[in-house]
Amino acid sequence: DAGVIQSPRHEVTEMGQEVTLRCKPISGHNSLFWYRQTMMRGLELLIYFNNNVPIDDSGMPEDRFSAKMPNASFSTLKIQPSEPRDSAVYFCASSLAGAGEQYFGPGTRLTVT
Amino acid sequence: GQNIDQPTEMTATEGAIVQINCTYQTSGFNGLFWYQQHAGEAPTFLSYNVLDGLEEKGRFSSFLSRSKGYSYLLLKELQMKDSASYLCATPQTGANNLFFGTGTRLTVIP
Repeated sequence: DAGVIQSPRHEVTEMGQEVTLRCKPISGHNSLFWYRQTMMRGLELLIYFNNNVPIDDSGMPEDRFSAKMPNASFSTLKIQPSEPRDSAVYFCASSLAGAGEQYFGPGTRLTVT
Repeated sequence: GQNIDQPTEMTATEGAIVQINCTYQTSGFNGLFWYQQHAGEAPTFLSYNVLDGLEEKGRFSSFLSRSKGYSYLLLKELQMKDSASYLCATPQTGANNLFFGTGTRLTVIP
């Protein structure tokens, strides 16, 4: 298996622009998680899906952030409009059984100038 | 609420043994995970403990005491490549996601 796939790996954008991050989970996994990691706050859960349904989005910072999972093999995290404080590494992870072992993608390093 | 405490940084010598501690508070315990994260890379799974005691996996072992809310990761015969952050995590109470500690950055020196 190719593992969790994320794109792009790096994104540099200007404040106010829309950013879309993409994730393809491991085939057969039914839970998908979006995390944000910064030096100050560590690894924070933004939102997670079970069987394509959003379960907990309490970690989404504000209305500028939205996530979708239209099918079992694809999810997006969108930031609109982006701000410099959104600069971080965004990880997508998937698991077979929710709170079981999670497999992380390589991450997207986002820089908002 | 949920809380995890780990030391921020540790330094150890190549070939030595190091123990990384983790204390946690959670209202409903459902296991404890350790992940390794090299700089610039994604976290990768190391171990999962749900019962008390020591679980050994090669040079790495993980210990759990549920009554004390305490775990440690033991790394033996340290190698330079073990320099990384080690994250302790517990399942979020009543949910399917993981709550991660801020991690311990281990530096292995020659």
